[in-house]
Amino acid sequence: KAGVTQTPRYLIKTRGQQVTLSCSPISGHRSVSWYQQTPGQGLQFLFEYFSETQRNKGNFPGRFSGRQFSNSRSEMNVSTLELGDSALYLCASSGGNNSPLHFGNGTRLTVT
Amino acid sequence: GQNIDQPTEMTATEGAIVQINCTYQTSGFNGLFWYQQHAGEAPTFLSYNVLDGLEEKGRFSSFLSRSKGYSYLLLKELQMKDSASYLCAGFGDYKLSFGAGTTVTVRA
Repeated sequence: KAGVTQTPRYLIKTRGQQVTLSCSPISGHRSVSWYQQTPGQGLQFLFEYFSETQRNKGNFPGRFSGRQFSNSRSEMNVSTLELGDSALYLCASSGGNNSPLHFGNGTRLTVT
Repeated sequence: GQNIDQPTEMTATEGAIVQINCTYQTSGFNGLFWYQQHAGEAPTFLSYNVLDGLEEKGRFSSFLSRSKGYSYLLLKELQMKDSASYLCAGFGDYKLSFGAGTTVTVRA
């Protein structure tokens, strides 16, 4: 079974631009969540989707948004990029309640 | 929200045993995850404890006490490849709340 796939692996953007990251969950997994990892803040929860519905959202500004499609694939978008948005963005998928969350390899975003 | 505490660093010798403790204060707590993360890589799932007690999986074991808000990860027969960051995370309200991670260094 293929794991969680995130694209692209690396991105370099400039301040003020926007970016869209993509995540394909493990086949059969309907829950997809997104996390930001930085050296200073560690792993922080962004949002979680199940059957195209956002069930929870972390404490991030409105510039961070996401969505999930009917095939469970998910995208997250960051608008008006700031230098502080430079981070590793990780997507995780899960098969349901009390099932492990499995992470993709992440997208490393650098904002210059 | 959830508050997760774990030690910052631990060092042990190859072949030894190391125990990483994690305490948590949570709301809507469902269970406790442990992940391993090597530098520059994504976290890899190690264990998930929902009920109290010990779960053993090869060289790794994890324990949970819900009444005490306490968990530990036990790494036995340490190998050099076990040098990594170990992340404790509470799960609830459809999200993981992570501790800052414990960097384990295995020395020959």
